[in-house]
Amino acid sequence: EAQVTQNPRYLITVTGKKLTVTCSQNMNHEYMSWYRQDPGLGLRQIYYSMNVEVTDKGDVPEGYKVSRKEKRNFPLILESPSPNQTSLYFCASSPHPGGSYNEQFFGPGTRLTVL
Amino acid sequence: AQKVTQAQTEISVVEKEDVTLDCVYETRDTTYYLFWYKQPPSGELVFLIRRNSFDEQNEISGRYSWNFQKSTSSFNFTITASQVVDSAVYFCALSVHTDKLIFGTGTRLQVFP
Repeated sequence: EAQVTQNPRYLITVTGKKLTVTCSQNMNHEYMSWYRQDPGLGLRQIYYSMNVEVTDKGDVPEGYKVSRKEKRNFPLILESPSPNQTSLYFCASSPHPGGSYNEQFFGPGTRLTVL
Repeated sequence: AQKVTQAQTEISVVEKEDVTLDCVYETRDTTYYLFWYKQPPSGELVFLIRRNSFDEQNEISGRYSWNFQKSTSSFNFTITASQVVDSAVYFCALSVHTDKLIFGTGTRLQVFP
């Protein structure tokens, strides 16, 4: 089944404790992206990757890191999480980078709470 | 700059009523794409429709229909004969030249039996 998977789905952590949210897609998509969803703000892009070893900042990159060592994986790293990073996170992928017509396939979401 | 506005924060209807969710977008580009996504209470994002800027033809899919009007920069979504299962948050989104989706703030639809 074609899908985007994220782990963990739920995470409660404390300020400053490094964490990684994994994202994996099995559709051989070149483009991958991370969004965060906050009440009243919709979804905002954090980082994106056009292909392996190519990553770039989205609209709200502060406090996050990403890497793209393999085509299928795009982990989101919070080196020192803070309470303002409490949010619902979505990973997404699409087949052809630069094509704004692409339907993006979203993962199930990761609900992160930072105490 | 690009922007998507969903002015309706929350809408409540009774089952079988028709409901329209508004979406107004801003962009100076002539080529762009508009999307609607549904987020049910379970939290996942479900793709509903994609429309490009050169295709103003309205679309109907079962009880769902979309009205795209470039003259008013709107891409409204109507659910006919709403059902309880339609209860969700609905997002309108815009993309221009890149894969990044610019989302509106969403409209929460509650359909009561």
